[in-house]
Amino acid sequence: QKEVEQDPGPLSVPEGAIVSLNCTYSNSAFQYFMWYRQYSRKGPELLMYTYSSGNKEDGRFTAQVDKSSKYISLFIRDSQPSDSATYLCAMSAGAGGTSYGKLTFGQGTILTVHP
Amino acid sequence: DTAVSQTPKYLVTQMGNDKSIKCEQNLGHDTMYWYKQDSKKFLKIMFSYNNKELIINETVPNRFSPKSPDKAHLNLHINSLELGDSAVYFCASSLTGGRGYEQYFGPGTRLTVT
Repeated sequence: QKEVEQDPGPLSVPEGAIVSLNCTYSNSAFQYFMWYRQYSRKGPELLMYTYSSGNKEDGRFTAQVDKSSKYISLFIRDSQPSDSATYLCAMSAGAGGTSYGKLTFGQGTILTVHP
Repeated sequence: DTAVSQTPKYLVTQMGNDKSIKCEQNLGHDTMYWYKQDSKKFLKIMFSYNNKELIINETVPNRFSPKSPDKAHLNLHINSLELGDSAVYFCASSLTGGRGYEQYFGPGTRLTVT
């Protein structure tokens, strides 16, 4: 069983829809939770980050973390065709030493928003 | 303004060959990483260097050898290439001081071993 599980989709939605992307994880040491967006044939780029449990909002994007359930979500409101990409969740135990910067990624969910 | 750059972008080679991929960042970061993304888009860390010192060394065949000549550069040399090495290799960089999660990725090197 992988440490981070993410449904690869693909997910296809009409423009303007609310999109919900999710990941579950098994490692209770994870403290930092990120969402990266990867356009086709490009490198991933950090979209949002949350430390520990809670919600974080940035424009049309909302990230939620529920550490008790080991479950994180990304919501995209009023989705646009430009949101079409692969969304990767990533997690880190943080701290220093050999854990520093070690991100464990989910498989990524392929999202297509059609006009 | 290229933040994290990699060369080459594409690499096609035969089994058994030795090849290198180069990475450079101009963000002033002090930590650099190599990731491998397989055909199913699964992205897995291989190595990280902080100020030229190896920090993360995941379970990677010793045919893979990273080298960091300075904080801004990280190279990856692969000996005796195998079919299973075909993947996209991403370089990334970040700052220390609690910002290790904020990694900036290069465009990737698509390696095909035939």
